[in-house]
Amino acid sequence: AQKITQTQPGMFVQEKEAVTLDCTYDTSDPSYGLFWYKQPSSGEMIFLIYQGSYDQQNATEGRYSLNFQKARKSANLVISASQLGDSAMYFCAMREIGAGNMLTFGGGTRLMVKP
Amino acid sequence: KAGVTQTPRYLIKTRGQQVTLSCSPISGHRSVSWYQQTPGQGLQFLFEYFSETQRNKGNFPGRFSGRQFSNSRSEMNVSTLELGDSALYLCASSSRTSGETQYFGPGTRLLVL
Repeated sequence: AQKITQTQPGMFVQEKEAVTLDCTYDTSDPSYGLFWYKQPSSGEMIFLIYQGSYDQQNATEGRYSLNFQKARKSANLVISASQLGDSAMYFCAMREIGAGNMLTFGGGTRLMVKP
Repeated sequence: KAGVTQTPRYLIKTRGQQVTLSCSPISGHRSVSWYQQTPGQGLQFLFEYFSETQRNKGNFPGRFSGRQFSNSRSEMNVSTLELGDSALYLCASSSRTSGETQYFGPGTRLLVL
């Protein structure tokens, strides 16, 4: 079974609107962390936001927030007030406590922001 | 603080050759991980080094190897290159003070002809 699933290969959003990128995960490890990264066409992976499995509140970082639903094993990224510069690939990743620092990535979602 | 740097940024090799890629982590970061990104397989973990020791290894053949130096800089080597090794190779560093969040470099794009 896929450990990280991103079901939206591509998405369009209108500039200034909010958008939600989906991520579901599968683990039997009680302690894990969930990450979102942005990858522009240049290739560099840019860290956006982190959610720990024991965190009581959803993580937020500026225009990014993470909708963490532990029972559903989902960790959706919400981008508010989309900007043209948000056009990129977005990857959800998981680190399980039993796997050291290894990140397991989903297949990614390509977000395109329309002016 | 300077970010993760990787050299070279682009590389073209032919089948059968070997290649060495270099990664300099963020100052103070002692853990360095390597990932391979291809259109077909996505992002896959290669290995992680911490304090000059390989701490974890992904499911790659022995042609892929790495090492870490005392200043935390890391190199990865691919011997007997195959066409399928063409990929973006990403290096990431982390530390306890970064909450073990991995920060990535710009990557090295390797093309094997």
